[in-house]
Amino acid sequence: TQLLEQSPQFLSIQEGENLTVYCNSSSVFSSLQWYRQEPGEGPVLLVTVVTGGEVKKLKRLTFQFGDARKDSSLHITAAQPGDTGLYLCAGGNTNAGKSTFGDGTTLTVKP
Amino acid sequence: DTGVSQDPRHKITKRGQNVTFRCDPISEHNRLYWYRQTLGQGPEFLTYFQNEAQLEKSRLLSDRFSAERPKGSFSTLEIQRTEQGDSAMYLCASSLFRTSGIHEQFFGPGTRLTVL
Repeated sequence: TQLLEQSPQFLSIQEGENLTVYCNSSSVFSSLQWYRQEPGEGPVLLVTVVTGGEVKKLKRLTFQFGDARKDSSLHITAAQPGDTGLYLCAGGNTNAGKSTFGDGTTLTVKP
Repeated sequence: DTGVSQDPRHKITKRGQNVTFRCDPISEHNRLYWYRQTLGQGPEFLTYFQNEAQLEKSRLLSDRFSAERPKGSFSTLEIQRTEQGDSAMYLCASSLFRTSGIHEQFFGPGTRLTVL
């Protein structure tokens, strides 16, 4: 069974601070997605990373896929209150239907 | 197309009743997935379809759960004889099958089920 562990589970910071959250597994994934979810809503896809060592940037968010494709990180620069939410990572494998999700990092950015 | 839609958004039922949820995927997507999410956890896979064929079911999907996608478009998830442990957010997602094997899933807003 493939598992994804996310850390930290909870993170509370002040507006303007930088942060990094992590997604780790002992298994290799062919792709990894990051989602953001707000209370009472479905997850919203932020990015997909596919290649080991790949780095993708989305405005103030930087996503990295580990060289061995077993782990990933999400770095947010100058966090804003609008970044508040549950950040989920999900791993997928070629020709497998399902994605395996971590339990997420709940981020709170205080103004 | 505005994305994946789910109906109803909220459902409150009494233990032992049957409930049915509907999911309408993004129109050009041929894969459709159902997940369940409880508080403090990430989504757990239940089942998925490619067109009208149900290709995989999780062991989480007991005999009381059944999903259909009769024409390869919308899907329904039925839970019979609901139990309090079925209370959760039921999420639907869709994706386009790609030969690369990378299937980005786009989620609907979910149906929140409360079993009293």
